[in-house]
Amino acid sequence: DADVTQTPRNRITKTGKRIMLECSQTKGHDRMYWYRQDPGLGLRLIYYSFDVKDINKGEISDGYSVSRQAQAKFSLSLESAIPNQTALYFCATSGGAGWERDTQYFGPGTRLTVL
Amino acid sequence: SQQGEEDPQALSIQEGENATMNCSYKTSINNLQWYRQNSGRGLVHLILIRSNEREKHSGRLRVTLDTSKKSSSLLITASRAADTASYFCATDAPDNFNKFYFGSGTKLNVKP
Repeated sequence: DADVTQTPRNRITKTGKRIMLECSQTKGHDRMYWYRQDPGLGLRLIYYSFDVKDINKGEISDGYSVSRQAQAKFSLSLESAIPNQTALYFCATSGGAGWERDTQYFGPGTRLTVL
Repeated sequence: SQQGEEDPQALSIQEGENATMNCSYKTSINNLQWYRQNSGRGLVHLILIRSNEREKHSGRLRVTLDTSKKSSSLLITASRAADTASYFCATDAPDNFNKFYFGSGTKLNVKP
């Protein structure tokens, strides 16, 4: 079974709709991240969380919100989706000890299309 | 921006040849990582090199880091068709070592 799972894997929605993307992990990591990837580009950090009570904005948090419901779960919400939020969204985790702590483990991604 | 930039953007080689891709970044770092992404899938960690290291090996991968030039290179030796993927470098942020910035990637095509 995958260590980092994302649901849904694909979603098509309309402008103005509220959307939630969910991420779960079984790695026992304390850190979780949400990124978006646009075609031909790298990943941009949306939000990150170091534990349940610690939420931080990334580079591009406008239009997004997150919830860390438990150590293993980190959800990303688009309150009112707009077309330029069409992208591939990735959840990632990191944790452990020493330098291993910086290695990120990625989920399979959610492809979101906003019409 | 701390973001790394990979060069070249795309690389096409024959199976068996070596592939070299480069990453440049702008500010000081604690470590630099390389990741691989198969089309439309999640990224997979390949190797991490610390700022006090100059070279690191893992199987057919060789990574170098030159902090004076703020650059790194990833060498894949004896490439295989299965190495076809996009490769990204990621650097941590000087003000927050738990945040990472990814470059836009090098798209490698290894022809059989």
